[in-house]
Amino acid sequence: DVKVTQSSRYLVKRTGEKVFLECVQDMDHENMFWYRQDPGLGLRLIYFSYDVKMKEKGDIPEGYSVSREKKERFSLILESASTNQTSMYLCASSRGFRYEQYFGPGTRLTVT
Amino acid sequence: AQSVSQHNHHVILSEAASLELGCNYSYGGTVNLFWYVQYPGQHLQLLLKYFSGDPLVKGIKGFEAEFIKSKFSFNLRKPSVQWSDTAEYFCAVNTGGGADGLTFGKGTHLIIQP
Repeated sequence: DVKVTQSSRYLVKRTGEKVFLECVQDMDHENMFWYRQDPGLGLRLIYFSYDVKMKEKGDIPEGYSVSREKKERFSLILESASTNQTSMYLCASSRGFRYEQYFGPGTRLTVT
Repeated sequence: AQSVSQHNHHVILSEAASLELGCNYSYGGTVNLFWYVQYPGQHLQLLLKYFSGDPLVKGIKGFEAEFIKSKFSFNLRKPSVQWSDTAEYFCAVNTGGGADGLTFGKGTHLIIQP
């Protein structure tokens, strides 16, 4: 059974803190993605990676960075958290770009 | 860049009613099309997908979708909905030959009344 896990379901951070969101997949997938989900806006792509140490910007990369040191792990980093980054963050992985993406349960981040 | 438009943000139906959720995309080239569903408290999961071939695709739980290239549409249908279909539905697209993530619509919140 395919599995994408995210390190926290709920996270509360203060403005200006550095925040790490971790994602691990056990399917040996090449591609990994980070999205944020906001009510009325759907999901928006932040960053993705198609190989270890490779990354590409998505539609809304500002204020975020990513790290992929191992194939199974993809981290999203908020360098200096701001209140407008309060959101649900979803990680996904896929075998390739023309294949289904499998999603994790999400991390609900609140920045106060 | 491509975009996806879902026509209805909230839909309320009674059980056994027929369902059609609209989805239009803007991109002139080859696309891969997806419908995802998010049941309350659950992960986002794939309902169905279209890459090429027969434009009428069947997915899980009795759902189907039709790709109409001339209309840039990929509408989701189900002949008879059940209370358990209450969920949020997302249409998504990525470019056929490119290397990119998914562009999602804003979602349709479907409520089925028993």
